[in-house]
Amino acid sequence: EAGVVQSPRYKIIEKKQPVAFWCNPISGHNTLYWYRQNLGQGPELLIRYENEEAVDDSQLPKDRFSAERLKGVDSTLKIQPAELGDSAVYLCASSLAPQVYEQYFGPGTRLTVT
Amino acid sequence: AQTVTQSQPEMSVQEAETVTLSCTYDTSESDYYLFWYKQPPSRQMILVIRQEAYKQQNATENRFSVNFQKAAKSFSLKISDSQLGDAAMYFCAYRSAGTGNQFYFGTGTSLTVIP
Repeated sequence: EAGVVQSPRYKIIEKKQPVAFWCNPISGHNTLYWYRQNLGQGPELLIRYENEEAVDDSQLPKDRFSAERLKGVDSTLKIQPAELGDSAVYLCASSLAPQVYEQYFGPGTRLTVT
Repeated sequence: AQTVTQSQPEMSVQEAETVTLSCTYDTSESDYYLFWYKQPPSRQMILVIRQEAYKQQNATENRFSVNFQKAAKSFSLKISDSQLGDAAMYFCAYRSAGTGNQFYFGTGTSLTVIP
């Protein structure tokens, strides 16, 4: 079974530029999470999807961050414009259903904003 | 929001020895889940072990076991017979019971295994 796939693995951009991250969850997993992990910290939830619906986006900085999950499968997280403080690892995770407590993580995208 | 505290930023252990990683959490809830995740340098987080708060018996997965003290809100991870492949960041995480509740992660403990 394929795991959670994320791309790109690394991204370096200048501040004020846009950037997008892509995630393909495990097949059949209805719940998808985007996390941000700052250096030396644990992951912090940005947004959670149940199928195509964003059910928890309270931690998403909506002035510059956006996300979508068309057709309830793949998801894209976008930052526009990027700021220096956005440098972090962006992790995607999925689980079979919201009541299933186990999450499976992708390898993450390391973003560096210069 | 719940908080998860890992007070040991770094730990080291000799190969084949035993090490214990500490985790405490703050919650007013009675039903929840606790987890230990491992994040090797490649960054993909892997579930190591989980504990349901309603279970009194401590969870065990091969060389990994936990010491769950519900009253003390403590959830430590014991790694026996440490191997070089155990070197990684270890994150303790909390999740409320119920549908869709989010995970709260600690700041992690970096484990070094000395050959």
